[in-house]
Amino acid sequence: SQQGEEDPQALSIQEGENATMNCSYKTSINNLQWYRQNSGRGLVHLILIRSNEREKHSGRLRVTLDTSKKSSSLLITASRAADTASYFCATDAGYSGAGSYQLTFGKGTKLSVIP
Amino acid sequence: DVKVTQSSRYLVKRTGEKVFLECVQDMDHENMFWYRQDPGLGLRLIYFSYDVKMKEKGDIPEGYSVSREKKERFSLILESASTNQTSMYLCASSEQLGTNEKLFFGSGTQLSVL
Repeated sequence: SQQGEEDPQALSIQEGENATMNCSYKTSINNLQWYRQNSGRGLVHLILIRSNEREKHSGRLRVTLDTSKKSSSLLITASRAADTASYFCATDAGYSGAGSYQLTFGKGTKLSVIP
Repeated sequence: DVKVTQSSRYLVKRTGEKVFLECVQDMDHENMFWYRQDPGLGLRLIYFSYDVKMKEKGDIPEGYSVSREKKERFSLILESASTNQTSMYLCASSEQLGTNEKLFFGSGTQLSVL
């Protein structure tokens, strides 16, 4: 029941440039989240955007959500070598019983920032 | 800060062995999750638990079982490990899974089944 799909699968940019990653999903959502994963490590939550929000900022991160197109984008401005990681979007796939919502992850975008 | 600790960073087991992966969280979170992550497939949910002794199947529960005897601890069990269970296993927790809850992840256990 894969929900979100990130695009592109891989992205390579120079330090200082902006990086944009996209996420598309198939069904209605309550919220969409973005996570970051450094190589071989666990995921770290970056930002959450609710279905009634269109844009959200956190430091150098900007997330947009277009529910009519069922898509979201993550923009990292003025990228740094330390931003090199994989980025995942995650959507709640709806109520799954016992009072809980199941969060479903996409396959991720691998970002390389070259110094 | 929330801490989710997975007992092993790397694990090598033989086919047919019983394998226990342990996960402990220190923030009194209600919900705990086990995912596996494979190249090209992303993260897939194996099992989750919303309360002590309660569990729910995720997308790929076959070949796995779980145990949650205490709120802070969630164990993933491979009853008879097989080579196709070689993967990165990620444990996560959340305070109360509603519509606006984020997950906190452990560092992962890279399991190799030979």
